Amino acid sequence: DSGVTQTPKHLITATGQRVTLRCSPRSGDLSVYWYQQSLDQGLQFLIQYYNGEERAKGNILERFSAQQFPDLHSELNLSSLELGDSALYFCASSGTHETGELFFGEGSRLTVL
Amino acid sequence: GENVEQHPSTLSVQEGDSAVIKCTYSDSASNYFPWYKQELGKRPQLIIDIRSNVGEKKDQRIAVTLNKTAKHFSLHITETQPEDSAVYFCAASKGGSSNTGKLIFGQGTTLQVKP
Repeated sequence: DSGVTQTPKHLITATGQRVTLRCSPRSGDLSVYWYQQSLDQGLQFLIQYYNGEERAKGNILERFSAQQFPDLHSELNLSSLELGDSALYFCASSGTHETGELFFGEGSRLTVL
Repeated sequence: GENVEQHPSTLSVQEGDSAVIKCTYSDSASNYFPWYKQELGKRPQLIIDIRSNVGEKKDQRIAVTLNKTAKHFSLHITETQPEDSAVYFCAASKGGSSNTGKLIFGQGTTLQVKP
């Protein structure tokens, strides 16, 4: 158990819909990272928050947005969903915004039908 | 930009043999190079990492080497066992003023260890 909690574990929805994925980092960790893993693909970096503020941005679509709340949990919002958005979405956390180990949650598997 | 290339994409070895996975990175400011193991349907987990001030690091059957000049780093697994079968990802992270801690991952190597 990494200490990073993600909900929901599985989500099935239709094209055009909007979903919210939630992540609670390890106790005391200030950085949260979101990654997308499509079928047979690597881990694509989406976005990072550190202590409530956006720290780094990757190839995140405009239909996607995220935020980190004062209690440090984070949410990833995916809207106008397309079939190609079906993927495993991982949240990871670390204690700082500097180089070091990222601790991954179990992921949220999104299926868009 | 930041890019990490990983080879091979699949690797099949006999139990007891060694396995080597290689990665190259593009950004010379990268200074942290972890390797993650991901079993089917599970989360990625760190197995070993190396920083740019070190050329080699070993932990039991696993070792990582880094060649900063060539921007190459490699994972070596000796005496492979069936439980080593998984997908392995290399990654790189930048230091200095651009330091955010984010990891850029390679595309992964599916390692199969045949009994």
